[in-house]
Amino acid sequence: GAVVSQHPSWVICKSGTSVKIECRSLDFQATTMFWYRQFPKQSLMLMATSNEGSKATYEQGVEKDKFLINHASLTLSTLTVTSAHPEDSSFYICSASARRGDEQFFGPGTRLTVL
Amino acid sequence: GENVEQHPSTLSVQEGDSAVIKCTYSDSASNYFPWYKQELGKRPQLIIDIRSNVGEKKDQRIAVTLNKTAKHFSLHITETQPEDSAVYFCAASKANKLIFGTGTLLAVQP
Repeated sequence: GAVVSQHPSWVICKSGTSVKIECRSLDFQATTMFWYRQFPKQSLMLMATSNEGSKATYEQGVEKDKFLINHASLTLSTLTVTSAHPEDSSFYICSASARRGDEQFFGPGTRLTVL
Repeated sequence: GENVEQHPSTLSVQEGDSAVIKCTYSDSASNYFPWYKQELGKRPQLIIDIRSNVGEKKDQRIAVTLNKTAKHFSLHITETQPEDSAVYFCAASKANKLIFGTGTLLAVQP
């Protein structure tokens, strides 16, 4: 149990385009989902926390207008990178938890490359 | 906000030896401390966790200790095997928000 999927697993796009990444909890209802970004050889940095049906809470330094997060249902959250630039190239990982304080279950990640 | 420091950044051990990774955190309100193993290009995998009301937890070859007073916690891997080679991250959590350490690249030499 506790499986989280992400789609796509990798994407290559041109600078200036937008990219949407989906995160799904397959066998449980996720009241909270989290989005992380991981640059090569670095740690996971929390970008934002989203609760179903409410606006995401962004970490300091993360542009909410550039990284649009939607958590429309208890099993799906999406991250849209708008007007992507090469510096946005990174590994984006989502996680989900069923209840506050519970273990977070991580998705497999999405490798974004912006040319 | 919370800040988590992790040491060492790299660790090389011989197969069969023990490995110890240490983390310190800044926010005394943090109450959940998981450890993750991440292989290249893969998702982090939870290997062990500890909550603030416990001082030590063990699962086969892996153990974690927590010193709340000093705000540090450690991962201990005994009888290391080549398949233990990976990057290990500690994390501290308050109100369901995980803050990760900087990671330790563990290499187990056969």
